[in-house]
Amino acid sequence: AQKITQTQPGMFVQEKEAVTLDCTYDTSDPSYGLFWYKQPSSGEMIFLIYQGSYDQQNATEGRYSLNFQKARKSANLVISASQLGDSAMYFCAMREETGFQKLVFGTGTRLLVSP
Amino acid sequence: DTAVSQTPKYLVTQMGNDKSIKCEQNLGHDTMYWYKQDSKKFLKIMFSYNNKELIINETVPNRFSPKSPDKAHLNLHINSLELGDSAVYFCASSQLRGLGLFEETQYFGPGTRLLVL
Repeated sequence: AQKITQTQPGMFVQEKEAVTLDCTYDTSDPSYGLFWYKQPSSGEMIFLIYQGSYDQQNATEGRYSLNFQKARKSANLVISASQLGDSAMYFCAMREETGFQKLVFGTGTRLLVSP
Repeated sequence: DTAVSQTPKYLVTQMGNDKSIKCEQNLGHDTMYWYKQDSKKFLKIMFSYNNKELIINETVPNRFSPKSPDKAHLNLHINSLELGDSAVYFCASSQLRGLGLFEETQYFGPGTRLLVL
């Protein structure tokens, strides 16, 4: 079974609009971490935001926020005020406490920001 | 001041050759990883070392052999390269904080694009 599911292969958004990238996960571990990474066309993997399973509040980092709904097992990334430079692949990943620190990635969502 | 660096950035080679990719991190982390990203952009863990000890070894052909001479370096040697080995290989590092303390964000290197002809 897929541990991380990203159902949107591609998303379009206009500059300055907000966009939500979906991520659902599957785990039976009580303790886990959820991460979002950005991969621009240049290829590097850039860490964006982290949410711990025990965190009471949704994580925020600048224009990025994570809409964490534990009961639904979802960890959607919200990008506010999109910029052209936000055009990239976005990966959701999970690390389980029993997983020896490895990250399990989703298949990614390609975001295109138009002027 | 690159945090996680990899060399080479590009590697083009013939089937059957042996090649190595090097990774170095200057973040003071104690855990390093190799991930493979295939042509469909799917990323999968291959290996992980904590303080020079192998802690993750996913189902990877034994033609792939990681080596960690110290906790700042993790190299990947690939023997008898095959066409299917063509991919982007990412090194990453993190700091293990211990049980119950969870935010060990992994920072990735720029990737090594391997093309086997």
